[in-house]
Amino acid sequence: QSALTQPASVSGSPGQSITISCTGTSSDIGGYKYVSWYQQHPGKAPKLIISEVSNRPSGVSNRFSGSKSGNTASLTISGLQPEDEADYYCSSYTSSSTLDVVFGGGTKLTVL
Amino acid sequence: EVQLVESGGRLVQPGGSLRLSCAASGFTVSNHWMHWVRQPPGKGLLWVSRINSDGGTTNYADSVKGRFTISRDNAKNTLYLQMNSLRVEDTAVYFCARGVGPDSWGQGTLVTVSS
Repeated sequence: QSALTQPASVSGSPGQSITISCTGTSSDIGGYKYVSWYQQHPGKAPKLIISEVSNRPSGVSNRFSGSKSGNTASLTISGLQPEDEADYYCSSYTSSSTLDVVFGGGTKLTVL
Repeated sequence: EVQLVESGGRLVQPGGSLRLSCAASGFTVSNHWMHWVRQPPGKGLLWVSRINSDGGTTNYADSVKGRFTISRDNAKNTLYLQMNSLRVEDTAVYFCARGVGPDSWGQGTLVTVSS
């Protein structure tokens, strides 16, 4: 059972925009700036695309953007491209004594 | 360039032991929080363990506490995960990752626990 809640799947057509939500609690997303988003293609390692809620690492397309409101973080991908089809995971630092980092269950993005 | 390279994964019987290694380059392991994260086949990411930059403070997920030990060798700039009393449910790709909100990941190493 994942600590953060993401939709299992989203889809969009090339050129469209989509948003993936990630819901946690005040002990994780709502309480810290360390909210990250990762893109993972099959058989590959996760790639950081958003750090600290809304920061884009060098080299990541500006089509990816992140935000947070209360206990929910969001990833928006604009101008969808076929290569965006992948699994997307959110993560957050947590104050739980038995966890450091909690992940969402992952969202499969299909570009139609 | 930051690079993390995991090794040590293989097929092991239930109850067995394994040590995973994560060789780092392009940065100093002891200056960063370092994590192990695993991904069971076809499933999502699960945090396993962390070692701090301050001198080795560690933390573990409940599912591995008492069985796994995270450590590092500063001279070799390498992170380790000693895994004992392995269970079938420990089968996964194991990734090492750097930073509080992990920013760099290795390619992973597959651990299969099966008789």
